[in-house]
Amino acid sequence: NAGVTQTPKFRILKIGQSMTLQCAQDMNHNYMYWYRQDPGMGLKLIYYSVGAGITDKGEVPNGYNVSRSTTEDFPLRLELAAPSQTSVYFCASRGDRGPSDTQYFGPGTRLTVL
Amino acid sequence: AQKITQTQPGMFVQEKEAVTLDCTYDTSDPSYGLFWYKQPSSGEMIFLIYQGSYDQQNATEGRYSLNFQKARKSANLVISASQLGDSAMYFCAMREGSDTGRRALTFGSGTRLQVQP
Repeated sequence: NAGVTQTPKFRILKIGQSMTLQCAQDMNHNYMYWYRQDPGMGLKLIYYSVGAGITDKGEVPNGYNVSRSTTEDFPLRLELAAPSQTSVYFCASRGDRGPSDTQYFGPGTRLTVL
Repeated sequence: AQKITQTQPGMFVQEKEAVTLDCTYDTSDPSYGLFWYKQPSSGEMIFLIYQGSYDQQNATEGRYSLNFQKARKSANLVISASQLGDSAMYFCAMREGSDTGRRALTFGSGTRLQVQP
């Protein structure tokens, strides 16, 4: 049981490049989330999904896109990377058994845009 | 809108002593959940403890306890018998109520705890 996995761990992009951050979970969770963490700050919600085929924006969605074709995978796409997207990106998932369900986080992807 | 406030950017504690990390929250939703996560220098987010808004008793998990004062809207984390391995960033977070559907977390800015030998 691997939990939530993310690839890559680190990436450096040039301004204007694009990339996809991968996220997968093996806990059969319906809810999945993408957060970003800027230096010295807490996490902010980028996008979320409540099940395969259903996604919606969070607080800071500009410059990102997501898709959810399977329960397991929730990739985050960065188009036209900008220095403001330099951050650590966390994927998380949770079950839907009740209000106490905990969000479990992946190890994060550290992205630098130069 | 929900808000989480952690007013202590950094804290020091001696090994084996107890420490309290402060967290206050603001929400108009009667149903919410409060979480604490630990982020060591390696960067991962580790779940520590959960408190539901309707829970009558304070949550405890091993050396961690949550001092929940609903009327004051505070959810302080208490770590007993601090260990060197407790040195990390600690985040308080609130889960949205059921009406929004997404049940995402709103995070505070964190408290950096350093345990001294």
